[in-house]
Amino acid sequence: ETGVTQTPRHLVMGMTNKKSLKCEQHLGHNAMYWYKQSAKKPLELMFVYNFKEQTENNSVPSRFSPECPNSSHLFLHLHTLQPEDSALYLCASSQGAGGYNEQFFGPGTRLTVL
Amino acid sequence: LAKTTQPISMDSYEGQEVNITCSHNNIATNDYITWYQQFPSQGPRFIIQGYKTKVTNEVASLFIPADRKSSTLSLPRVSLSDTAVYYCLVGDGQSTGNQFYFGTGTSLTVIP
Repeated sequence: ETGVTQTPRHLVMGMTNKKSLKCEQHLGHNAMYWYKQSAKKPLELMFVYNFKEQTENNSVPSRFSPECPNSSHLFLHLHTLQPEDSALYLCASSQGAGGYNEQFFGPGTRLTVL
Repeated sequence: LAKTTQPISMDSYEGQEVNITCSHNNIATNDYITWYQQFPSQGPRFIIQGYKTKVTNEVASLFIPADRKSSTLSLPRVSLSDTAVYYCLVGDGQSTGNQFYFGTGTSLTVIP
Protein backbone atom coordinates (compact mmCIF):
# COMPACT_ATOMS: atom_id res chain seq x y z
CA GLU A 1 0.00 0.00 0.00
CA THR A 2 1.72 3.15 -1.23
CA GLY A 3 -0.96 5.69 -0.36
CA VAL A 4 -1.86 6.10 -4.04
CA THR A 5 -4.99 4.36 -5.28
CA GLN A 6 -6.20 3.91 -8.83
CA THR A 7 -9.55 2.84 -10.20
CA PRO A 8 -10.49 0.81 -12.05
CA ARG A 9 -7.71 -1.75 -11.89
CA HIS A 10 -8.75 -3.25 -15.23
CA LEU A 11 -10.64 -1.67 -18.11
CA VAL A 12 -11.70 -2.99 -21.48
CA MET A 13 -13.12 -0.48 -23.92
CA GLY A 14 -13.99 -0.14 -27.54
CA MET A 15 -12.46 2.47 -29.79
CA THR A 16 -15.61 4.60 -29.72
CA ASN A 17 -16.10 4.52 -25.96
CA LYS A 18 -15.40 7.29 -23.47
CA LYS A 19 -14.01 6.30 -20.10
CA SER A 20 -12.03 7.85 -17.26
CA LEU A 21 -9.24 6.64 -15.02
CA LYS A 22 -9.11 7.94 -11.48
CA CYS A 23 -6.16 8.40 -9.16
CA GLU A 24 -6.23 9.53 -5.53
CA GLN A 25 -3.32 10.11 -3.21
CA HIS A 26 -3.58 10.20 0.58
CA LEU A 27 -0.07 11.49 1.22
CA GLY A 28 -0.56 15.24 1.16
CA HIS A 29 1.65 15.57 -1.91
CA ASN A 30 1.60 18.50 -4.29
CA ALA A 31 2.63 16.84 -7.55
CA MET A 32 0.88 14.10 -9.48
CA TYR A 33 1.83 12.24 -12.63
CA TRP A 34 0.43 9.97 -15.32
CA TYR A 35 2.71 7.37 -16.89
CA LYS A 36 2.09 4.82 -19.63
CA GLN A 37 3.82 1.46 -19.73
CA SER A 38 3.29 -0.66 -22.84
CA ALA A 39 4.33 -4.27 -22.99
CA LYS A 40 8.11 -4.62 -22.98
CA LYS A 41 8.59 -0.85 -23.33
CA PRO A 42 10.00 1.75 -20.97
CA LEU A 43 7.89 3.65 -18.56
CA GLU A 44 6.78 6.79 -20.41
CA LEU A 45 5.79 10.04 -18.72
CA MET A 46 2.52 11.53 -20.02
CA PHE A 47 1.58 14.46 -17.78
CA VAL A 48 2.83 16.29 -14.71
CA TYR A 49 0.69 18.40 -12.39
CA ASN A 50 2.20 20.58 -9.70
CA PHE A 51 -0.20 22.34 -7.30
CA LYS A 52 -3.05 21.46 -9.71
CA GLU A 53 -1.32 23.15 -12.66
CA GLN A 54 -0.13 21.11 -15.62
CA THR A 55 3.59 21.61 -16.04
CA GLU A 56 4.39 18.92 -18.56
CA ASN A 57 2.57 17.36 -21.48
CA ASN A 58 4.93 14.90 -23.08
CA SER A 59 3.46 15.18 -26.60
CA VAL A 60 0.49 13.08 -25.65
CA PRO A 61 -2.30 12.71 -28.26
CA SER A 62 -5.44 14.71 -27.54
CA ARG A 63 -7.50 11.54 -27.13
CA PHE A 64 -5.98 11.51 -23.64
CA SER A 65 -7.27 14.40 -21.55
CA PRO A 66 -6.01 14.88 -17.97
CA GLU A 67 -7.86 16.67 -15.20
CA CYS A 68 -6.57 17.67 -11.79
CA PRO A 69 -9.34 19.26 -9.69
CA ASN A 70 -7.20 19.35 -6.53
CA SER A 71 -3.84 18.13 -5.32
CA SER A 72 -5.27 14.81 -4.17
CA HIS A 73 -7.11 13.73 -7.30
CA LEU A 74 -6.06 13.15 -10.87
CA PHE A 75 -8.15 11.87 -13.75
CA LEU A 76 -7.31 10.68 -17.23
CA HIS A 77 -10.24 10.97 -19.63
CA LEU A 78 -10.09 8.64 -22.58
CA HIS A 79 -11.97 8.89 -25.88
CA THR A 80 -11.64 7.33 -29.32
CA LEU A 81 -8.60 5.35 -28.30
CA GLN A 82 -6.64 3.04 -30.57
CA PRO A 83 -5.61 -0.57 -29.93
CA GLU A 84 -2.00 0.58 -29.54
CA ASP A 85 -3.10 2.57 -26.49
CA SER A 86 -3.54 -0.70 -24.62
CA ALA A 87 -1.10 -0.52 -21.73
CA LEU A 88 -0.65 -0.22 -17.99
CA TYR A 89 -1.42 3.34 -16.90
CA LEU A 90 0.31 4.35 -13.72
CA CYS A 91 -0.37 7.31 -11.50
CA ALA A 92 2.24 8.66 -9.11
CA SER A 93 2.59 11.47 -6.62
CA SER A 94 5.45 13.24 -4.88
CA GLN A 95 5.86 15.96 -2.32
CA GLY A 96 7.29 18.34 -4.90
CA ALA A 97 7.63 18.02 -8.62
CA GLY A 98 10.96 17.21 -10.22
CA GLY A 99 13.01 14.12 -10.73
CA TYR A 100 14.69 14.12 -7.34
CA ASN A 101 11.45 13.89 -5.38
CA GLU A 102 10.53 10.34 -4.36
CA GLN A 103 7.55 9.25 -6.39
CA PHE A 104 4.91 6.98 -4.95
CA PHE A 105 3.15 4.90 -7.57
CA GLY A 106 -0.32 3.45 -7.59
CA PRO A 107 -1.04 -0.13 -8.66
CA GLY A 108 -2.00 0.95 -12.17
CA THR A 109 -4.94 0.45 -14.50
CA ARG A 110 -4.56 -2.28 -17.09
CA LEU A 111 -6.30 -0.89 -20.18
CA THR A 112 -7.28 -2.97 -23.18
CA VAL A 113 -8.65 -1.23 -26.26
CA LEU A 114 -10.53 -3.49 -28.64
CA LEU B 1 19.49 12.53 -25.74
CA ALA B 2 18.86 9.88 -23.11
CA LYS B 3 19.75 10.98 -19.63
CA THR B 4 20.64 7.50 -18.41
CA THR B 5 21.96 4.24 -19.84
CA GLN B 6 21.81 0.86 -18.11
CA PRO B 7 22.43 -2.76 -19.09
CA ILE B 8 19.24 -4.34 -20.41
CA SER B 9 19.45 -7.46 -18.25
CA MET B 10 21.50 -9.29 -15.64
CA ASP B 11 21.38 -12.72 -14.04
CA SER B 12 22.64 -13.62 -10.57
CA TYR B 13 22.51 -16.58 -8.24
CA GLU B 14 20.82 -16.36 -4.90
CA GLY B 15 23.02 -15.10 -2.12
CA GLN B 16 25.38 -13.17 -4.36
CA GLU B 17 25.97 -9.45 -4.39
CA VAL B 18 24.64 -7.70 -7.48
CA ASN B 19 25.97 -4.43 -8.84
CA ILE B 20 24.00 -2.53 -11.48
CA THR B 21 25.70 0.45 -13.09
CA CYS B 22 23.97 3.41 -14.66
CA SER B 23 25.70 5.94 -16.92
CA HIS B 24 24.62 9.56 -16.82
CA ASN B 25 27.34 11.48 -18.61
CA ASN B 26 25.35 14.70 -18.85
CA ILE B 27 24.33 14.89 -15.21
CA ALA B 28 23.82 18.47 -14.06
CA THR B 29 25.17 20.04 -10.91
CA ASN B 30 21.78 20.07 -9.20
CA ASP B 31 20.75 16.55 -10.23
CA TYR B 32 20.26 13.76 -7.73
CA ILE B 33 20.43 10.06 -8.64
CA THR B 34 17.47 7.91 -7.66
CA TRP B 35 16.91 4.19 -8.11
CA TYR B 36 13.55 2.43 -8.34
CA GLN B 37 12.49 -1.22 -8.38
CA GLN B 38 9.53 -2.50 -10.36
CA PHE B 39 7.82 -5.89 -10.18
CA PRO B 40 5.59 -7.06 -13.07
CA SER B 41 2.23 -5.29 -13.28
CA GLN B 42 3.09 -2.97 -10.39
CA GLY B 43 4.30 0.60 -10.18
CA PRO B 44 7.98 1.32 -9.46
CA ARG B 45 9.08 1.62 -5.84
CA PHE B 46 11.80 3.92 -4.52
CA ILE B 47 14.95 2.13 -3.36
CA ILE B 48 17.66 4.68 -2.71
CA GLN B 49 18.86 8.15 -3.62
CA GLY B 50 22.19 9.95 -3.52
CA TYR B 51 24.11 12.96 -4.70
CA LYS B 52 27.74 11.92 -4.28
CA THR B 53 30.02 9.33 -2.62
CA LYS B 54 28.15 6.50 -0.94
CA VAL B 55 24.69 6.06 0.49
CA THR B 56 23.45 2.96 2.29
CA ASN B 57 20.04 1.97 3.60
CA GLU B 58 18.47 -1.25 4.78
CA VAL B 59 18.05 -2.70 1.29
CA ALA B 60 20.87 -1.34 -0.90
CA SER B 61 23.96 0.80 -1.29
CA LEU B 62 24.58 3.45 -3.91
CA PHE B 63 28.09 4.30 -5.03
CA ILE B 64 28.72 7.55 -6.91
CA PRO B 65 32.23 8.45 -8.10
CA ALA B 66 33.59 11.94 -7.83
CA ASP B 67 32.75 12.88 -11.41
CA ARG B 68 29.14 11.66 -10.90
CA LYS B 69 28.93 10.46 -14.50
CA SER B 70 27.85 7.03 -13.35
CA SER B 71 26.39 5.33 -10.31
CA THR B 72 26.24 1.76 -9.08
CA LEU B 73 23.37 0.19 -7.20
CA SER B 74 24.58 -2.65 -4.99
CA LEU B 75 22.17 -5.29 -3.71
CA PRO B 76 23.75 -7.50 -1.03
CA ARG B 77 22.95 -11.23 -1.00
CA VAL B 78 20.06 -11.20 -3.45
CA SER B 79 17.10 -13.54 -3.09
CA LEU B 80 14.52 -14.73 -5.60
CA SER B 81 12.23 -11.91 -4.54
CA ASP B 82 14.75 -9.38 -5.85
CA THR B 83 13.91 -10.43 -9.40
CA ALA B 84 12.61 -7.18 -10.87
CA VAL B 85 13.43 -4.29 -13.18
CA TYR B 86 15.70 -1.62 -11.70
CA TYR B 87 15.67 1.94 -13.00
CA CYS B 88 17.98 4.84 -12.35
CA LEU B 89 16.66 8.35 -12.66
CA VAL B 90 18.54 11.66 -12.53
CA GLY B 91 16.86 14.94 -11.85
CA ASP B 92 16.49 18.02 -9.70
CA GLY B 93 13.49 19.99 -8.58
CA GLN B 94 12.18 21.02 -11.97
CA SER B 95 8.81 19.71 -13.09
CA THR B 96 9.39 19.87 -16.82
CA GLY B 97 11.69 18.36 -19.38
CA ASN B 98 13.21 14.92 -19.15
CA GLN B 99 13.28 14.86 -15.38
CA PHE B 100 11.26 11.71 -15.42
CA TYR B 101 13.16 9.58 -17.93
CA PHE B 102 13.12 6.05 -16.53
CA GLY B 103 14.72 4.46 -19.57
CA THR B 104 14.63 0.76 -20.26
CA GLY B 105 15.88 -0.21 -16.83
CA THR B 106 17.85 -3.36 -15.97
CA SER B 107 15.92 -6.59 -15.70
CA LEU B 108 17.51 -8.62 -12.91
CA THR B 109 16.80 -12.34 -12.72
CA VAL B 110 17.86 -14.15 -9.58
CA ILE B 111 18.50 -17.83 -10.14
CA PRO B 112 18.07 -20.44 -7.39
